[in-house]
Amino acid sequence: EAQVTQNPRYLITVTGKKLTVTCSQNMNHEYMSWYRQDPGLGLRQIYYSMNVEVTDKGDVPEGYKVSRKEKRNFPLILESPSPNQTSLYFCASSLGGQGYQPQHFGDGTRLSIL
Amino acid sequence: ILNVEQSPQSLHVQEGDSTNFTCSFPSSNFYALHWYRWETAKSPEALFVMTLNGDEKKKGRISATLNTKEGYSYLYIKGSQPEDSATYLCAFWAGFQKLVFGTGTRLLVSP
Repeated sequence: EAQVTQNPRYLITVTGKKLTVTCSQNMNHEYMSWYRQDPGLGLRQIYYSMNVEVTDKGDVPEGYKVSRKEKRNFPLILESPSPNQTSLYFCASSLGGQGYQPQHFGDGTRLSIL
Repeated sequence: ILNVEQSPQSLHVQEGDSTNFTCSFPSSNFYALHWYRWETAKSPEALFVMTLNGDEKKKGRISATLNTKEGYSYLYIKGSQPEDSATYLCAFWAGFQKLVFGTGTRLLVSP
């Protein structure tokens, strides 16, 4: 089954404790992206990757890191999480990177940072 | 800063009603316009990707139109059913590998 898998689905942690949210897709998609969803705001792009070893900042990259060492994986790293990073996070992938293909979303990760 | 606006913010209709909502986006540098359906506790699912001015797409009772010259797209649902209750998101692709989302229209269909 074609899918984007995120882990964990839920996480409650404390300020400053490094965490990683994993994202993996099995569709051989070139383009992968991370979004955060906050009440009253649209999905906002954090980082995206056009292919292996090619990543770039989205609209809200501060406090986040990513890596793309393999085509299927695109982890999101919070080196020193803060309460303002409490949010619902989505990983997405698509074929190509020109916007002509739909995004396939993971099930989301709800992070609470105390 | 690219701005994508959706209206109305929320909508409550009765089963069987037809409804429509609007997505407004910049009319310059247009590449593609996406529509997604997002049910509570699930992930957004793609409905349509529209690329050409005048494009019309249809999927069952849901259809969409696109006007790139004036910067808007309409999503129509014919004969709404309770299972159509969801948030409908549009997203504008303006190049630069970036998809900019609107805040969505939340639809509630009562039996």
